[in-house]
Amino acid sequence: GAVVSQHPSWVICKSGTSVKIECRSLDFQATTMFWYRQFPKQSLMLMATSNEGSKATYEQGVEKDKFLINHASLTLSTLTVTSAHPEDSSFYICSAAVQGWANTEAFFGQGTRLTVV
Amino acid sequence: GQQLNQSPQSMFIQEGEDVSMNCTSSSIFNTWLWYKQDPGEGPVLLIALYKAGELTSNGRLTAQFGITRKDSFLNISASIPSDVGIYFCAGATGAGSYQLTFGKGTKLSVIP
Repeated sequence: GAVVSQHPSWVICKSGTSVKIECRSLDFQATTMFWYRQFPKQSLMLMATSNEGSKATYEQGVEKDKFLINHASLTLSTLTVTSAHPEDSSFYICSAAVQGWANTEAFFGQGTRLTVV
Repeated sequence: GQQLNQSPQSMFIQEGEDVSMNCTSSSIFNTWLWYKQDPGEGPVLLIALYKAGELTSNGRLTAQFGITRKDSFLNISASIPSDVGIYFCAGATGAGSYQLTFGKGTKLSVIP
């Protein structure tokens, strides 16, 4: 399957600082990437849909000024958690849809464990 | 919004036993996907289903896309310890949208 790389795998930051998470499609171009948040022992919750060259679409209840998404190229989307607080601590996962394939397949990055202290 | 009901929530089985889990929805999906997630990792795609009634295998895994397009099941035969993890079903409506709706997951524990 297609490879999606997420960086960093884990990060610890101080409250009030900002953290950037990168999501790269390594062997394919992705016009659409998705950002999820996962709490312990729970399913994946879609935060936003990232479209290359346009503004991201945020799910209801997700603050767009808090979670900044930039999809500057067909292989890279970034999520920046601004002014992070302890309640932002979570597992963040991105996925990318394979462009040009007839069927829907989404491949996931390995996730980023964010801890805000 | 769309919701997927996945069951069972968790299961403990003996190594060598077969496993079955399923997902149901109140609305139609055009694609069903099954993922496995290990702790601290992202989900890994196991099987993708695109046609109603489709039955697909991947090694010891078999999944089916329900005729009504509102359900799917995943079977694992002859379980082994490395099958341990959380299994998620996911549905997509298609029509140019790659957005997935996830079930709540089935946590599988295999007793050696």
